[in-house]
Amino acid sequence: GIQVEQSPPDLILQEGANSTLRCNFSDSVNNLQWFHQNPWGQLINLFYIPSGTKQNGRLSATTVATERYSLLYISSSQTTDSGVYFCAAGRNTPLVFGKGTRLSVIA
Amino acid sequence: GAGVSQTPSNKVTEKGKYVELRCDPISGHTALYWYRQSLGQGPEFLIYFQGTGAADDSGLPNDRFFAVRPEGSVSTLKIQRTERGDSAVYLCASSLLAGGQMGQFFGPGTRLTVL
Repeated sequence: GIQVEQSPPDLILQEGANSTLRCNFSDSVNNLQWFHQNPWGQLINLFYIPSGTKQNGRLSATTVATERYSLLYISSSQTTDSGVYFCAAGRNTPLVFGKGTRLSVIA
Repeated sequence: GAGVSQTPSNKVTEKGKYVELRCDPISGHTALYWYRQSLGQGPEFLIYFQGTGAADDSGLPNDRFFAVRPEGSVSTLKIQRTERGDSAVYLCASSLLAGGQMGQFFGPGTRLTVL
């Protein structure tokens, strides 16, 4: 089955800094999503992005399907961005999740 | 409702007991998924319904786990003879299209603790 790897596993940022989170996947996919899991455990949809580039406010994501990776960009980070960011991918199957990137934004 | 809802939010039970966890998907979503998340890990797939039938139950860990979706909407995950290792957050998700295309949307989860 598909394998999903995320890097880095942990990231500490000063408020206002920018960051890039990476997701590599082992096979072709037609579903790729980025989630933010908040401190209460809720998985919040950030992007549905099996290919291409999308932007939503300070967040943007790019998936290069032919090279089997996706990037999540966070600009001007805020303390409320803290939490775990998950990438999940699949092909006509339920999602396979990476282990996540734990982000801590310090004021 | 506007999103996926799950009940109860927390469940504490004793080893050997039977539990049921409920999921209400987003109205109109045909596909429903159950995942399990252990501490410090990403969610892991358990079972996927397309309509009323289980399209893929390959993630169920053993025959103590069973799930139903009798009318193609609400689903119940049932765990018999619970073990301490079953303690985790059980997440439900739904999607408009089969295979999760257009995205899966997750509920808040049920935190199960087996004493």
